[in-house]
Amino acid sequence: KAGVTQTPRYLIKTRGQQVTLSCSPISGHRSVSWYQQTPGQGLQFLFEYFSETQRNKGNFPGRFSGRQFSNSRSEMNVSTLELGDSALYLCASTDREANTIYFGEGSWLTVV
Amino acid sequence: AQSVTQLGSHVSVSEGALVLLRCNYSSSVPPYLFWYVQYPNQGLQLLLKYTSAATLVKGINGFEAEFKKSETSFHLTKPSAHMSDAAEYFCAVSASGGSQGNLIFGKGTKLSVKP
Repeated sequence: KAGVTQTPRYLIKTRGQQVTLSCSPISGHRSVSWYQQTPGQGLQFLFEYFSETQRNKGNFPGRFSGRQFSNSRSEMNVSTLELGDSALYLCASTDREANTIYFGEGSWLTVV
Repeated sequence: AQSVTQLGSHVSVSEGALVLLRCNYSSSVPPYLFWYVQYPNQGLQLLLKYTSAATLVKGINGFEAEFKKSETSFHLTKPSAHMSDAAEYFCAVSASGGSQGNLIFGKGTKLSVKP
């Protein structure tokens, strides 16, 4: 079974731009979560989607948004990028029956 | 609200020595607890999880962890460290409210293994 796939792996954006990151969960998993990892703040929960509905949201500004498609693939978007948005963005796929969460390799975003 | 505290941001051991990484949690409900490992420039890999079935949990790569409710701890151990164990380790607790994908992470412990 393929793991969690995130694209792109690396990207550089300029302040004020927007970015869209993509995540394909493990086949059969309908729950997808997103996390931001920075050296200063560590790993922080952004939001979770299940069956195309946002189930929970972390404490991030409205510039951070996401969505999930009918095939469970998910995207997250960050608008009006700030330098502080530079981070590793991790997508996670949940096996709800086993209560196990699997992470992808992440997307490294650098804002300059 | 749930929280996780990992004692020691850096731990250094010699190859072949015992590895002990400490994790204490705070939870108002019976917790689900996890240990993840992160190698440089990679995502998180699940080492093991506690979901109330057994207090001693065995994971991959020879790691295990023991859930101690009275101490609110879930320390990670490995009897004999290997060079390939050098990585950052994260303890996490599942947040309440039925959101299974919402984990609260500790700050992480970076493990160094000396030859």
